[in-house]
This record gives sequence, structure tokens and C-alpha cells, in this order.
Amino acid sequence: GAVVSQHPSRVICKSGTSVKIECRSLDFQATTMFWYRQFPKKSLMLMATSNEGSKATYEQGVEKDKFLINHASLTLSTLTVTSAHPEDSSFYICSARGSTSGRDYEQYFGPGTRLTVT
Amino acid sequence: KNQVEQSPQSLIILEGKNCTLQCNYTVSPFSNLRWYKQDTGRGPVSLTIMTFSENTKSNGRYTATLDADTKQSSLHITASQLSDSASYICVVSAGGYNKLIFGAGTRLAVHP
Repeated sequence: GAVVSQHPSRVICKSGTSVKIECRSLDFQATTMFWYRQFPKKSLMLMATSNEGSKATYEQGVEKDKFLINHASLTLSTLTVTSAHPEDSSFYICSARGSTSGRDYEQYFGPGTRLTVT
Repeated sequence: KNQVEQSPQSLIILEGKNCTLQCNYTVSPFSNLRWYKQDTGRGPVSLTIMTFSENTKSNGRYTATLDADTKQSSLHITASQLSDSASYICVVSAGGYNKLIFGAGTRLAVHP
């Protein structure tokens, strides 16, 4: 199956700093990438959808100035958490969708990034 | 309102036993239904994906069923192993493939 990687897998940062998380599709071109947030024992919550070369579409309640998303190429999307606060501590997961095996509707998830803001 | 509900919330079974997880959905227009396995601290991994016309799909010891009339799906795990301990998430795609509706998941613990 298709592979999606995330970097870093874990990050600890101080309150007020910014953190960048990378999401890469390793063996296919991802025309669309999705960013999710997951709290402990809860399901994934979609934060934003980004299409390559376009501005991201954010879900209601997600601050676009706080969570900056860039999808500059067909294999890379980045999520930058700006001026991080402890309440931003969470598990961030990206997924990517592209044309692979002819199943255009398949989304492949990355392994997630654990962000801890101290 | 598009919703996906899963039951039970959590389940403990002994190694080697079978179990069935349930998923009910109210999603329109329905595109497809997926089951994912998510290990703690990891991203979800796809187990099965079924479209409207498919009513059963297997992936090794995992068998998913779909009843589009009653809007129910189940995931049956046969001869459970310790490594099956994880959260199992039912996800329904609402038309146009862009919107995934996630269930809250069932946390399965397989004990020796």
C-alpha cells in the first residue's frame, strides 16, 4: 500500500514558540492532504484540507492563523503551529489522497506526530 | 446530521477468541465505509473499504460486512491475537470522497 510519513514523530516545545510538522507521500503523488488532530481516547478531528498549490480549507473553529498549512508540492505538506500553547498539545495526523492503484478515493494516514507544549 | 456510532466503546477478550464490533451510520450521500486499526500512538491503518454494492470484505482474520439498507456494518475478528489490541475505527465517506465521518472507535484489548 501507499506510504505516508510524518516528521518529527514527537516534539516538545516551549510555550510561545512555533513548531513545523512535515507530511510526505513517499510513493505516490498526493493531490490532496488532510490534517487531523486527536485527543486521548477520542477519534480524529479534521482540521483542514489542502490541495497542492492552493490555500487550505479549514474546518469551522480551526484558527487558520494559528495552524498554517502549506502544500507546495505533490509529495509534501507542512503544518506549522504558531505561538504554541499547552492546549495545543495533541496528536497530529496527516493523510494523503492521490491516484494510486486506480483507487482515487483512498486516503492513507501518516504515523502521527505527538506535540507537547510546556 | 452525518454521524457514525460504534459499539461497544471498549472490549476485552481472551487470546484466540473471536469478536464482532458494530458500526451504525447516518451519512448521506453514502460513498464508502472503511474500517481502520489504530495502535496507540500511531496513525490509522486501513483494514477494509466497501462501497455501496459490496456487503462483505475480508482481510486475513478481519471480515467486514455492510448492510446498506439498515446502514450497519460489522467487523469480525477471528482467532484474536495479542497484537490485535488497538482501537478500531469505522469511517464513512460522504459523497465526493472529501469528507470522512469518523466513529469514536472501539478499544479492543486482547489478554493472554
